[in-house]
Amino acid sequence: DAMVIQNPRYQVTQFGKPVTLSCSQTLNHNVMYWYQQKSSQAPKLLFHYYDKDFNNEADTPDNFQSRRPNTSFCFLDIRSPGLGDAAMYLCATSTFGKGGSGQPQHFGDGTRLSIL
Amino acid sequence: KQEVTQIPAALSVPEGENLVLNCSFTDSAIYNLQWFRQDPGKGLTSLLLIQSSQREQTSGRLNASLDKSSGRSTLYIAASQPGDSATYLCAVPSGGYQKVTFGTGTKLQVIP
Repeated sequence: DAMVIQNPRYQVTQFGKPVTLSCSQTLNHNVMYWYQQKSSQAPKLLFHYYDKDFNNEADTPDNFQSRRPNTSFCFLDIRSPGLGDAAMYLCATSTFGKGGSGQPQHFGDGTRLSIL
Repeated sequence: KQEVTQIPAALSVPEGENLVLNCSFTDSAIYNLQWFRQDPGKGLTSLLLIQSSQREQTSGRLNASLDKSSGRSTLYIAASQPGDSATYLCAVPSGGYQKVTFGTGTKLQVIP
């Protein structure tokens, strides 16, 4: 089945040690999103790609970066993780055309990041 | 700035009951609204997407309605089952047609 796959499911890193989370999709969607979700909170959008165009949220810390080398893959890089970055990170995709009304967002199962 | 609120925050019902989850949003200029389900420790599963031109959408025991003018949507679950226990979130487009704002969620527990 076409889907959104996030690896790894669980990631443990040390305080200040760079970490990369990955997301791949077989839906051929042109938009990919990264969300951060902390316990009992709504997902918070960090940034998204519309094709190759990167769109950062104003309140996303500089510590968070992203790469999208091709349509299928998107990476979240945390340059120097702090304790406050421990969370579930969710990748989502959607398809959008100019003047379109939008399609459902499809989510992966997330990566739970722990900081030691 | 779009703000999305869901009431109640938590709900516990006996199996078999029909129930309604509520979602309200402040900016009614939306073109769709999406309902999601999230199981503990998992990602989000899309349940229903309602386009602004529609008033409701149905999928199995789920029915979602949308009233743009009043800034409200409801998710109706018929004949609830223990497997329906999860957190339900609504999401509306905000700040551009590619982004959404999520509601605060309703945590549902269906008791056998």
